[in-house]
Amino acid sequence: DIVMTQSPESLAVSLGERATVNCKSSRSVFSYSNNNNYLAWYQQKPGQPPKLLIYWASTRESGVPDRFSGSGSGTDFTLTISSLQAEDVAVYYCQQYLSTPPWTFGQGTKVEIK
Amino acid sequence: QVQLVQSGAELMKPGASVKVSCQASGYTFTNNVIHWVRQAPGQSLEWMGWVIASNGKTQYSRKFQGRVIISRDAPARTVYMELSSLRPDDTARYYCARGVGVSTFLWFDSWGQGTLVTVS
Repeated sequence: DIVMTQSPESLAVSLGERATVNCKSSRSVFSYSNNNNYLAWYQQKPGQPPKLLIYWASTRESGVPDRFSGSGSGTDFTLTISSLQAEDVAVYYCQQYLSTPPWTFGQGTKVEIK
Repeated sequence: QVQLVQSGAELMKPGASVKVSCQASGYTFTNNVIHWVRQAPGQSLEWMGWVIASNGKTQYSRKFQGRVIISRDAPARTVYMELSSLRPDDTARYYCARGVGVSTFLWFDSWGQGTLVTVS
């Protein structure tokens, strides 16, 4: 199984500042068949189910604000919130969908306001 | 809009079985896969299995093989997840999620509200 490891476990960022969440996979999730990274990011606010933010490592889901961006390739990926808003307080998870089953998630990164 | 509505919270005894439902609306039910994912208190997300809504084919995580059964009732647009031989460490919120992709199963684009199953 591909193991997904996120860092940091938590971070506190001032409103309007940049937040960066890292995700590392134990094996590459890049596919040469279609030149895509099989990685998604989800946001989970307290008491709510996860919500899809990004897929193919960098494609924003419809309706997701453009302050959210994804980057990276192979085994190392980053979710960036360019200007943190109060409503972005949540736990963020990365997920790989290349080598399935199983679909595997990172342990989550909690983003808070400083 | 896509909606997945799950059944209510359950309190179960160790050794019992629980069956959670997930009713889909807002899209063509047979066009997608439905996954089940669980989340223990304060923990990350753990994939359990999927069902192809069109034909009922299933696949399960090795961890749950033999203990979980996922099924669907296509006319009712409902998917079920039954977990047997419950243990206290099965206490978790169980989510259904719609999978993207037909021949290749990709990410999850819509989630149910979750069903809390407590085993005590």
